[in-house]
Amino acid sequence: QVQLQESGPGLVKPSETLSLTCAVSGYSISSGYYWGWIRQPPGKGLEWIGSIYHSGSTYYNPSLKSRVTMSVVTSKNQFSLKLSSVTAADTAVYYCARVGCNGGSCYDYWGQGTLVTVSS
Amino acid sequence: EIVLTQSPGTLSLSPGERATLSCRASQSVSSSYLAWYQQKPGQAPRLLIYGASSRATGIPDRFSGSGSGTDFTLTISRLEPEDFAVYYCQQYGSSSLYTFGQGTKLEIK
Repeated sequence: QVQLQESGPGLVKPSETLSLTCAVSGYSISSGYYWGWIRQPPGKGLEWIGSIYHSGSTYYNPSLKSRVTMSVVTSKNQFSLKLSSVTAADTAVYYCARVGCNGGSCYDYWGQGTLVTVSS
Repeated sequence: EIVLTQSPGTLSLSPGERATLSCRASQSVSSSYLAWYQQKPGQAPRLLIYGASSRATGIPDRFSGSGSGTDFTLTISRLEPEDFAVYYCQQYGSSSLYTFGQGTKLEIK
């Protein structure tokens, strides 16, 4: 059973960098699949942030691309998200998930999510 | 960028009734790349349907998906109490980008 768990600071100051890690169990990241991040502001819908392959190949949401960096640490079976220059608009529950289904068309396994609040 | 518009925003129905949720795309989407999710309060989204009409593992057969091109539908044949939640459609398109619809809230009437 594939399981994902997000971790990182729950509070980040404006203009600083948000950093989250997703630990994967039940599947080796280096075996394949893309892995992604999705966020959800309180009371709002889902927004795709980006996805990454174990080789380091990435795809980012164009609206966030200038501020997003994703990376993989295969030895720890983890992948990470960094979002720079955060503002209150970046306050959200951040989910990590596996890109599965046919041709990588959807997210089949999700973490429980972690709330990140941007505030001074 | 493909925009997905879901309707209605809120759907009020009773257990046992049939629910029909719509997802319309701003341009044609490959049927292979359209998915539906269910989200309950405080929980992560759960994959229901992928490839427009294929049920994910463990999803009851009262959930079905259909559609092609720009119009897709999620149907719940007979609503159970646990089906009341928010539903999102999602597409996977060119340049390996993903977009979600804004969601439909299915509430108990």
